[in-house]
Amino acid sequence: EAGVTQSPTHLIKTRGQQATLRCSPISGHTSVYWYQQALGLGLQFLLWYDEGEERNRGNFPPRFSGRQFPNYSSELNVNALELEDSALYLCASSLDRRVGYTFGSGTRLTVV
Amino acid sequence: QKEVEQNSGPLSVPEGAIASLNCTYSDRGSQSFFWYRQYSGKSPELIMFIYSNGDKEDGRFTAQLNKASQYVSLLIRDSQPSDSATYLCAAVHTGGFKTIFGAGTRLFVKA
Repeated sequence: EAGVTQSPTHLIKTRGQQATLRCSPISGHTSVYWYQQALGLGLQFLLWYDEGEERNRGNFPPRFSGRQFPNYSSELNVNALELEDSALYLCASSLDRRVGYTFGSGTRLTVV
Repeated sequence: QKEVEQNSGPLSVPEGAIASLNCTYSDRGSQSFFWYRQYSGKSPELIMFIYSNGDKEDGRFTAQLNKASQYVSLLIRDSQPSDSATYLCAAVHTGGFKTIFGAGTRLFVKA
């Protein structure tokens, strides 16, 4: 069974640009969760998608957005990039969040 | 007050010893609790989850939950150098809408 896949592995952008990160959940999982992990910090909840709808978002500005496609894959968009957006972005999927997530390997975004 | 709090460490134990990792949470309505292991430069990996008061054992790992004290712990028996990693405690928030993670405890197991 394929795990959660994320692309690209690394992304380097210039301040002010837009970044698009992609995630494919484990087959059969309808929920996708996005987290940001800045260097030395814990995982900060960004977004939760389920059945194509945004179900909840964390304390991030509106320039962080995303969507979920009919095949349950998901895209995270970060507009007007700032230096502080440099972080590891993790996608996770789950059949039931009460029993935990499976994380992808992450996308490391560097804003210069 | 942080919603899920962990001592950042590092916690250093000798090989073969018991490593004890602790976590407290503020939301009394939290339902499920998790321990993830994260190696440097890698993504978190689920080790265990627990939702009932008491102990839950899986191999060398034991998770302990005390809802009255809002306290979760992870014991690693016969610690190995390969257990050296950051351990993240997490809780499903009231309403189940998101999982909150602690900042993690770094564990070093000395050979």
